[in-house]
Amino acid sequence: DQQVKQNSPSLSVQEGRISILNCDYTNSMFDYFLWYKKYPAEGPTFLISISSIKDKNEDGRFTVFLNKSAKHLSLHIVPSQPGDSAVYFCAARPNYGQNFVFGPGTRLSVLP
Amino acid sequence: NAGVTQTPKFRILKIGQSMTLQCTQDMNHNYMYWYRQDPGMGLKLIYYSVGAGITDKGEVPNGYNVSRSTTEDFPLRLELAAPSQTSVYFCASSPRNSYYEQYFGPGTRLTVT
Repeated sequence: DQQVKQNSPSLSVQEGRISILNCDYTNSMFDYFLWYKKYPAEGPTFLISISSIKDKNEDGRFTVFLNKSAKHLSLHIVPSQPGDSAVYFCAARPNYGQNFVFGPGTRLSVLP
Repeated sequence: NAGVTQTPKFRILKIGQSMTLQCTQDMNHNYMYWYRQDPGMGLKLIYYSVGAGITDKGEVPNGYNVSRSTTEDFPLRLELAAPSQTSVYFCASSPRNSYYEQYFGPGTRLTVT
């Protein structure tokens, strides 16, 4: 029973183009959403977050969009760079505790 | 400022053995977490702590124990190791005023055979 889903295990994008990573969730009690980036043999690194009261949050090349009615969020990276190649995890926090739930991740490859 | 450190980096255990995974943070964060990541899966929360002396179960606590006697340290104890506990374990911490922004350690790769 996956509460946070990332249906694309991998994604390849040309350098300079837009990368769009998608995430779907099932629990309507989630009130905070996060994206983490992970390189091999390292721990995840926080990238960007969004509260359920917003529909968009931007930080430099990274923008997260939240569609609450569809229970869907997406991470846009523009322009994509080879250093962005990593596994990206979507995570969500319910409003009743600290039980962060992570998706299985999407491996992004940015080709030079 | 080392951030979140974990020891050991790698460990092989025999079935039935016990061990403690160490986690230390030097950022004075109130919140600390233990996750496990199985191949091809997302991170699953084992235990978390909102401050010294306070711990709570996450999604997959069975087979593990934790303690939080200081702000800095949050060790994870495995009793009677089983092959199902073969995984990569990550410790994380976050500050009280930004608890959703977790800082992760590099992980401990544990194999139980």
